[in-house]
Amino acid sequence: QIQLVQSGPELKKPGESVKISCKASGYTFTDYAMHWVKQAPGKGLKWMGWINTYTGKPTYADDFKGRFVFSLEASASTANLQISNLKNEDTATYFCARRHYYSGSFDYWGQGVMVTVSS
Amino acid sequence: DVVLTQTPPTLSATIGQSVSISCRSSQSLLHSNGNTYLNWLLQRPGQPPQLLIYLVSRLESGVPNRFSGSGSGTDFTLKISGVEAEDLGVYYCVQSTHAPLTFGSGTKLEIK
Repeated sequence: QIQLVQSGPELKKPGESVKISCKASGYTFTDYAMHWVKQAPGKGLKWMGWINTYTGKPTYADDFKGRFVFSLEASASTANLQISNLKNEDTATYFCARRHYYSGSFDYWGQGVMVTVSS
Repeated sequence: DVVLTQTPPTLSATIGQSVSISCRSSQSLLHSNGNTYLNWLLQRPGQPPQLLIYLVSRLESGVPNRFSGSGSGTDFTLKISGVEAEDLGVYYCVQSTHAPLTFGSGTKLEIK
């Protein structure tokens, strides 16, 4: 069956880096874009950007340019999100979600990764 | 950026009641290719969002048909015809016609 399985929760200090993975299974990885969504505690959903799983080209929302990097391990059907120089405001749950290139449907989501940044 | 305004922010319903959620966009979501990329998602407590509706009115496979979507241009509606206990959670509209992709602020459905 189709699954997006994300890595486990992270506890980091300000200034550190974190890498979150999203492993896809049950479908052809390159047939769908992979998007990243942030949800701060008790808040709504915020789009971070996406990566073209066919070309590897990332696109970042304005608020996520600079410290955020999307990457692929295509051979492993895995998308990664790396955040450097962590700040307290990066404390959130991060979701990966696949989007069909033609229908625009966000039909499968990872379970989310809680990242806590605290000194 | 496209702003999606969802109303109401909270909704309290009894089992079996029909309810509607509105999502209004600050600009038309009709893409030049003729598609309107408007999804409805439900996020149950402690869970990731799940897709209910895509392309305004297309029901995702496995989603009960008490959910329906309608609208065009800038005005969209999600209707639940006969709320069930499992429907509690926060509903979001999301558009991907225009970059950057944007989400509505959410509508929390509570069961009386």
